[in-house]
Amino acid sequence: DAGVIQSPRHEVTEMGQEVTLRCKPISGHNSLFWYRQTMMRGLELLIYFNNNVPIDDSGMPEDRFSAKMPNASFSTLKIQPSEPRDSAVYFCASSPLGRTMNTEAFFGQGTRLTVV
Amino acid sequence: AQSVAQPEDQVNVAEGNPLTVKCTYSVSGNPYLFWYVQYPNRGLQFLLKYITGDNLVKGSYGFEAEFNKSQTSFHLKKPSALVSDSALYFCAVRDDRNTPLVFGKGTRLSVIA
Repeated sequence: DAGVIQSPRHEVTEMGQEVTLRCKPISGHNSLFWYRQTMMRGLELLIYFNNNVPIDDSGMPEDRFSAKMPNASFSTLKIQPSEPRDSAVYFCASSPLGRTMNTEAFFGQGTRLTVV
Repeated sequence: AQSVAQPEDQVNVAEGNPLTVKCTYSVSGNPYLFWYVQYPNRGLQFLLKYITGDNLVKGSYGFEAEFNKSQTSFHLKKPSALVSDSALYFCAVRDDRNTPLVFGKGTRLSVIA
């Protein structure tokens, strides 16, 4: 298996522009997580899905952030409009549901977002 | 709600010496504990986990961790450090209610030749 695949790996955009980050989870995994990593705050959970359904989005910082999972093999995280303080590394992770409690999450390589 | 504390931002150790990266946790119910490593410009890689059973857990690359329920700790250890172990290490916890992993802020390990 290729693992969790994220695209793009790097994104540089201007303030005010829309940014879309993409994630393909590991086949057969039906829990998907979006995390954000910054120096100041470490790894923060933004939102997670079980069976394509958003379970908890309380970590989404503002209404500018939205996430979707239209099917079991694809998820997007969108920021509109983007701001410089959104600059961070965004990680997608997946794990199997059902054994979630004792199963580790598998992480993608991350998307490094820079908003100028 | 669960939480993880990694009290050291940075740990320096000489190559060949034993290393310890500390982690304490807070969780209601039974804890499920994990260690991950992150190399520069890479995602997080799973090292080991404690679910139940033996308090000493062995994982990848010669790492091990000891679960101590009374001290609510799950310290990561390795008997002999390598320069290639230099990376950012994260401790994570989840409770027994099927919630996502909560991560500590990370500890940067630097192994000096």
